[in-house]
Amino acid sequence: NAGVTQTPKFRVLKTGQSMTLLCAQDMNHEYMYWYRQDPGMGLRLIHYSVGEGTTAKGEVPDGYNVSRLKKQNFLLGLESAAPSQTSVYFCASRRTSGGAYEQYFGPGTRLTVT
Amino acid sequence: AQRVTQPEKLLSVFKGAPVELKCNYSYSGSPELFWYVQYSRQRLQLLLRHISRESIKGFTADLNKGETSFHLKKPFAQEEDSAMYYCALRETSGSRLTFGEGTQLTVNP
Repeated sequence: NAGVTQTPKFRVLKTGQSMTLLCAQDMNHEYMYWYRQDPGMGLRLIHYSVGEGTTAKGEVPDGYNVSRLKKQNFLLGLESAAPSQTSVYFCASRRTSGGAYEQYFGPGTRLTVT
Repeated sequence: AQRVTQPEKLLSVFKGAPVELKCNYSYSGSPELFWYVQYSRQRLQLLLRHISRESIKGFTADLNKGETSFHLKKPFAQEEDSAMYYCALRETSGSRLTFGEGTQLTVNP
């Protein structure tokens, strides 16, 4: 099993450009999450999904959109990138019930907006 | 709203010395607390959870509800413990985690 994978690993954007980050998991998990990691600020939740076709806002949703058309995929979109969105983005997933609560993380996507 | 605070951004100790990474939280309900670790060039992974009362890689953490703390401790630090450590809180039966700011631990030889 690959676990949680993220595409791409690195990306440089110019201000105003758009892009989509892809998160995929092969563990049949219901829940998926998008975080951003910034120095001194820890991980902050952008959006999350409790199942296929559903999404919800997290702590810092502005400037991002998400979609969960397939259970295994969770897409994060930036419609008009801004330098403040320079960050490392992590995706995570977890199962709904049974066993202890644990989120499984992807390797991250490093995004630079110039 | 819940909040997790890790007061030390950087912590440096020598190999063999005790180490304590502090975590304080604010939450009115009954929380579930976790420690996640991110080693260099690796993905974030769960280190331990308070409900398991386990010791992982020599680390332990006790939930102190009176002081609203969940400090991570190890009696004898090793160089391979060098990593970024995050404390996280889950609300009662919640689906989300709230993370602290993180502490970068460096264990010097």
